[in-house]
Formats: sequence, structure tokens, C-alpha cells
Amino acid sequence: GENVEQHPSTLSVQEGDSAVIKCTYSDSASNYFPWYKQELGKRPQLIIDIRSNVGEKKDQRIAVTLNKTAKHFSLHITETQPEDSAVYFCAASKNNFNKFYFGSGTKLNVKP
Amino acid sequence: DTAVSQTPKYLVTQMGNDKSIKCEQNLGHDTMYWYKQDSKKFLKIMFSYNNKELIINETVPNRFSPKSPDKAHLNLHINSLELGDSAVYFCASSPTTGTSQQYFGPGTRLTVT
Repeated sequence: GENVEQHPSTLSVQEGDSAVIKCTYSDSASNYFPWYKQELGKRPQLIIDIRSNVGEKKDQRIAVTLNKTAKHFSLHITETQPEDSAVYFCAASKNNFNKFYFGSGTKLNVKP
Repeated sequence: DTAVSQTPKYLVTQMGNDKSIKCEQNLGHDTMYWYKQDSKKFLKIMFSYNNKELIINETVPNRFSPKSPDKAHLNLHINSLELGDSAVYFCASSPTTGTSQQYFGPGTRLTVT
């Protein structure tokens, strides 16, 4: 089965700096990679996703990159703000498969 | 206009009791899921249903029994609750299988004393 590893487990940055969270996956058939943000006491919410036919995707201050050969994908947040503080999860899935494999989460703390 | 709703939001009960958590989605999605999030924040899938049919059952004790009366509802019944069942349980739904966005419910914080 799929194994998704996520690093780092905690990340502390100064407001305005960039933050990068990395994930690796093991199943080369995985072709959908969403990222979720979970604020304290709230539900996980999708912030960005990427499919395997694309190498990079951006949405304002958030970007995701995918390296299919190396089987890793990363979340990049630029110009971080205190409201970016949350736990971020990566996940991997594939066509016709009712299961998402989640990473172990990264707690991001943005210091004002 | 809540997309995925769960009840109750909080559940405190004693060991050995039986309890249920309800989930409903009004998005017209075909697939629904139950996840368990423990104190370390690991999100672990428990069950996946597609059009009322059980698709995935992830090594979950048979004290946990999901039921899907229709594709908009997926309830979770837990028998003989144990201390280790304490966690936040999230319901989620997605339009189709696999490569489509999941929408999570608000979660149910279960505390077993």
C-alpha cells in the first residue's frame, strides 16, 4: 500500500518569511495530491491540490510542486502571516480508489 | 447551507457504553468516509462508502459499525466503548472515488471516561 511521509513535524517561522513542507510517497500509481489546513479545533480544509500531469500549481501565496520521478511533493507558503498558523496535512490518492493516505501533519507557527 | 454535518459535536461517555455519531452531506456526493484523529493529530481512515456500499474497512475493531441508509448519510455506531476510542471523529465526503476533493464535517470529540 501507499506510505506518505511528511516533514517537518513542527515548523516555526517569522511573519513574512517563507515556509516549506515536504512529503514523499511510495506508490507510483498515486496521481492526486491534496494539501489540507487544520486550524485548532476545526475541520481539515483543502487549500490546494495537484494532479500528476502537472509539476507546479500556484494560488496566491501558496504553491505546490510535484516531482513524480522522485515521488515527492512540497507545499510552499510565501509571506507568511499569523493566520497561516495551523496543522498542514499532505495526502495521496489515485484513480478509482476510495482512500486517501495522509501524512502525519506539520504544525506551522508563524510568529508576529 | 452546511455541506457536511455531524452530530453530536461533543460526546462524553463511560467505558462499556454504546454510542452513535451521525453524518449527513447535502452535496450530492457518492462517497463518504469516517476518519479518526488521535491526540497526536494523526488522521487515520476507518471506513469508506460509495453509494451506500462499504468499500474500505481499515483494520477497525468490529465494535465499530458504520451504516449508510442512503448515500447522503453515513452513521457510526460504537459498541462497548474503550478508553482508547477517545479521539475526534471526522466524517467526510467526495464527489467520486479517489482523485476528488474531500469535504470534512466539523468533527465529533469523543471522550471515554
